[in-house]
Amino acid sequence: QKEVEQNSGPLSVPEGAIASLNCTYSDRGSQSFFWYRQYSGKSPELIMSIYSNGDKEDGRFTAQLNKASQYVSLLIRDSQPSDSATYLCGGQGAQKLVFGQGTRLTINP
Amino acid sequence: NAGVTQTPKFRILKIGQSMTLQCAQDMNHNYMYWYRQDPGMGLKLIYYSVGAGITDKGEVPNGYNVSRSTTEDFPLRLELAAPSQTSVYFCASSLIGQYSNQPQHFGDGTRLSIL
Repeated sequence: QKEVEQNSGPLSVPEGAIASLNCTYSDRGSQSFFWYRQYSGKSPELIMSIYSNGDKEDGRFTAQLNKASQYVSLLIRDSQPSDSATYLCGGQGAQKLVFGQGTRLTINP
Repeated sequence: NAGVTQTPKFRILKIGQSMTLQCAQDMNHNYMYWYRQDPGMGLKLIYYSVGAGITDKGEVPNGYNVSRSTTEDFPLRLELAAPSQTSVYFCASSLIGQYSNQPQHFGDGTRLSIL
């Protein structure tokens, strides 16, 4: 079992709709989780971090963490074509940050 | 403030050649990491370091070596290049690391082709 798992997609969402990205993790000791966005040919860039159970909102982005279910999600409201990218979920373990395989998101105009 | 700097940006090697990918950070981060990313895939951890003089293997260390003589630099060495090592290599750094809430900062990557 991979330490961090994501649905690789591709996930296709119409412009203006809500995109929902999901991630599960196996290390119950993981305390911090990060969502990175990666455009094709570019390096990952941090868009959200979450450490506590519940929701964290930043503009159009909402990260959700449920430690009991070992589940992390990212919601993107009012999706824009510029949101089309690969989204990487990372969980911080004892020594290193472990990434999922990424979900490719396409926003259709 | 340059952040994480990787050199070179692109390189083509012949099978069996050796090279070193350079990575430097100016944020005084103690943790540094090397990842490879194959087309359409996620990031795979090659090696990481928790501080100068300390390194450890990640998920895919075979065929690579690292050293960490200073806090700032974390070079990745390919001794005998193989076609399977064709990939994009990312270096990253973070502060503290252990169960930390500090994110990783990534360099722009090195695109390496082995022919």
